[in-house]
Amino acid sequence: DVKVTQSSRYLVKRTGEKVFLECVQDMDHENMFWYRQDPGLGLRLIYFSYDVKMKEKGDIPEGYSVSREKKERFSLILESASTNQTSMYLCASSAVGFGYTFGSGTRLTVV
Amino acid sequence: QKEVEQNSGPLSVPEGAIASLNCTYSDRGSQSFFWYRQYSGKSPELIMFIYSNGDKEDGRFTAQLNKASQYVSLLIRDSQPSDSATYLCAVNMSGGSNYKLTFGKGTLLTVNP
Repeated sequence: DVKVTQSSRYLVKRTGEKVFLECVQDMDHENMFWYRQDPGLGLRLIYFSYDVKMKEKGDIPEGYSVSREKKERFSLILESASTNQTSMYLCASSAVGFGYTFGSGTRLTVV
Repeated sequence: QKEVEQNSGPLSVPEGAIASLNCTYSDRGSQSFFWYRQYSGKSPELIMFIYSNGDKEDGRFTAQLNKASQYVSLLIRDSQPSDSATYLCAVNMSGGSNYKLTFGKGTLLTVNP
């Protein structure tokens, strides 16, 4: 089975900190995605990548950046964490044309 | 804006009944359709996908697609309490990156023993 691993299950950070969320997949998928999920708002796409060093903005990229230096790893960076970035962050990967496999999620709290 | 719409529920059915979950999408050129199940506090899990008009069955689950009506549904037969979860519909819409899915906000299903 495809495995998507997110480095932290729970994370508490202070306002203004730079935060790194890591995601690794083990099935050589081309595509990787970062979503956040909030009650009543559903899944919202932050950034995605379809190849190494390639990235595209999703629906809500403001305040975030990403890095994909290796095919298996896709990192989400919160440049200066704010309380409105408290959320569940979900990483996913897929082969082209197929459904996503999600990681277990990182629940981030910014205080 | 391209959208995927689901009734948020909650949808409540008795154990053993058929649960019917519905989804409509705005982009007529959409090509592939997915259903995810998400338990509370967990991440979404892919349970069904369908690409062609008609029905696709997998165990107790049946996905139904009607492209003319821009409608996709998920039927769960012999519903069990363990089916209680939020079900997300996702659509691969045309005209953009063909590997990006648009998700509905999900329907909460409760199966009562």
